[in-house]
Amino acid sequence: DVVMTQSPLSLPVTLGQPASISCRSSQSLVHSDGNIYLSWFQQRPGQSPRRLIYKVSNRDSGVPDRFSGSGSGTDFTLKISRVEAEDVGVYYCMQGTHWPPKAFGQGTKVEIK
Amino acid sequence: EVQLVESGGGLVQPGGSLRLSCAASGFTFSTYAMNWVRQAPGKGLEWVSVISGSGGSTYYADSVKGRFTVSRDNSKNTLYLQMNSLRAEDTAVYYCAKWEEINRDFDYWGQGTLVTVSS
Repeated sequence: DVVMTQSPLSLPVTLGQPASISCRSSQSLVHSDGNIYLSWFQQRPGQSPRRLIYKVSNRDSGVPDRFSGSGSGTDFTLKISRVEAEDVGVYYCMQGTHWPPKAFGQGTKVEIK
Repeated sequence: EVQLVESGGGLVQPGGSLRLSCAASGFTFSTYAMNWVRQAPGKGLEWVSVISGSGGSTYYADSVKGRFTVSRDNSKNTLYLQMNSLRAEDTAVYYCAKWEEINRDFDYWGQGTLVTVSS
């Protein structure tokens, strides 16, 4: 089974400063079709998860451009260029390359210092 | 607008059963695989089960295999999760999530329903 490992698990950030979350998979996420199916989700306190990024670097509609995703193979990163108060929550990576899609990262809690 | 509305959660004793429902609207339900994902209190997301659009294929997490059964009624646009032999560790918020094949992830989530297993 694929294992997704996020770091750090807790990320205190000053408002307006950048933040970066790492996600590593135990196996390559390159699908046989050549795509990499790695997504990022945001879960604000008391809310359901919401997708931010799909296929490594594609932002969902309505997601601010301060969020960006990058990576390849087994190593991926979610960056927030300037953290705002509304970004507080837990961020999860998830792989969709290998079926069934059972691998989420442990989650990274972003909080304001 | 896509909407997923879960129901059926509640308090149940260890060893008991519960059936969750997820009413879907705003998309052609029968053409999409659907998933259940759960979140224990204060913990991360755990994928539970997936069912194909036709209902002909199902998969389960090892932690629930043999105890939970996922099904769907495409005529009612509803997804189900039958949970038997419930354990304390099944206590969680259960979300239904729509699978988007083109990006191979979950593009829409419901608001969740809380299942508490306790005596």
